[in-house]
Amino acid sequence: TQLLEQSPQFLSIQEGENLTVYCNSSSVFSSLQWYRQEPGEGPVLLVTVVTGGEVKKLKRLTFQFGDARKDSSLHITAAQPGDTGLYLCAGPRTGANNLFFGTGTRLTVIP
Amino acid sequence: GAVVSQHPSRVICKSGTSVKIECRSLDFQATTMFWYRQFPKKSLMLMATSNEGSKATYEQGVEKDKFLINHASLTLSTLTVTSAHPEDSSFYICSANNQGPTEAFFGQGTRLTVV
Repeated sequence: TQLLEQSPQFLSIQEGENLTVYCNSSSVFSSLQWYRQEPGEGPVLLVTVVTGGEVKKLKRLTFQFGDARKDSSLHITAAQPGDTGLYLCAGPRTGANNLFFGTGTRLTVIP
Repeated sequence: GAVVSQHPSRVICKSGTSVKIECRSLDFQATTMFWYRQFPKKSLMLMATSNEGSKATYEQGVEKDKFLINHASLTLSTLTVTSAHPEDSSFYICSANNQGPTEAFFGQGTRLTVV
């Protein structure tokens, strides 16, 4: 059974602080995606990582795919209130063409 | 990027009535669309896979007679919640793949409240 466990589940930090969100699985994924979802909206794709060990940067966000392609992390530098939201990792479901979502990390950045 | 439009964004209905939610891919054709349900402060749970021109595939535990899915064209899938009850109140989200699961685009979601 595929499982994507995210930690922490909830995170509340002050503006300007750094943080890291983790997405872990015992299964190997061909790729992982990270999404951010704001209240009352659908998830918006932030990045897709494909190669083991890959690092991608999106402004203050740094995404890393584990060497074994079983885990990923999202690091945010100097968090801003606009970063507040639910962060979801997701990977292709085995034998299907849809995504399997992680448990989610709800981030609140306090001004 | 590709756009998926979902309508309505919010709906309140009386218990026992049916509600239809539409999901449209605006600038690409989607032979497959997906319907998710999201409980408060939780992640997305796949309900069903909507296949153009054929029956939808439902996940275990999802009642197909309760959640009717129709995918009559390459750009439109609908989810009808039949005989809605308060426990059906939730946030429903659709998605469509542009080129495989790594190119999934999501609708804005529909907040359903059954009173």
